[in-house]
Amino acid sequence: GAGVSQSPRYKVAKRGQDVALRCDPISGHVSLFWYQQALGQGPEFLTYFQNEAQLDKSGLPSDRFFAERPEGSVSTLKIQRTQQEDSAVYLCASSPIITSLARSNYGYTFGSGTRLTVV
Amino acid sequence: GNSVTQMEGPVTLSEEAFLTINCTYTATGYPSLFWYVQYPGEGLQLLLKATKADDKGSNKGFEATYRKETTSFHLEKGSVQVSDSAVYFCALSGEYGNKLVFGAGTILRVKS
Repeated sequence: GAGVSQSPRYKVAKRGQDVALRCDPISGHVSLFWYQQALGQGPEFLTYFQNEAQLDKSGLPSDRFFAERPEGSVSTLKIQRTQQEDSAVYLCASSPIITSLARSNYGYTFGSGTRLTVV
Repeated sequence: GNSVTQMEGPVTLSEEAFLTINCTYTATGYPSLFWYVQYPGEGLQLLLKATKADDKGSNKGFEATYRKETTSFHLEKGSVQVSDSAVYFCALSGEYGNKLVFGAGTILRVKS
């Protein structure tokens, strides 16, 4: 597709429910990132994939958060036993490069995000 | 660790006014600096960037200069338009990394 697509756009979950958020990156983009954006805050890094390999998961806040990208394209962020503090917008971004942002003119392309509300 | 601090908003300006949004950072080494913009209902878009000291990034009339001596990357525009109304995020990435650290964002509202 032309951009990074995320689904669903909105998700309301009851506390304790499991949720799965999907990201379709731009075709051919090798790098994929997940960020969490709480209300009124900037995005915070969660995890990074290079193709199917999860190279950095240092930002995942707890073991309830799990991300995968099994075929190096679509990625899913799963949150188990959701808590109210998980309410946020979850952003996905992809990039055609694997080198540092400083050495590239591409930067990331962000999706519009999934707004998760845990009630 | 690396961090970014930007001025709180909302910033409300009249059309054609001068805009400054302050951004300062803390980082080891030589980070790259970015401004992203988020229009209502849309994803974050890269506005401009600078990768070394004294570099000036510019795009769509916006400018920011990488000042290492003051660890700042303030965003400026000489004459804002209503269509510039959005949330602006200052961000940095480490010298060798591709992970972004964002500020909290500044809401800009431009009135006609």
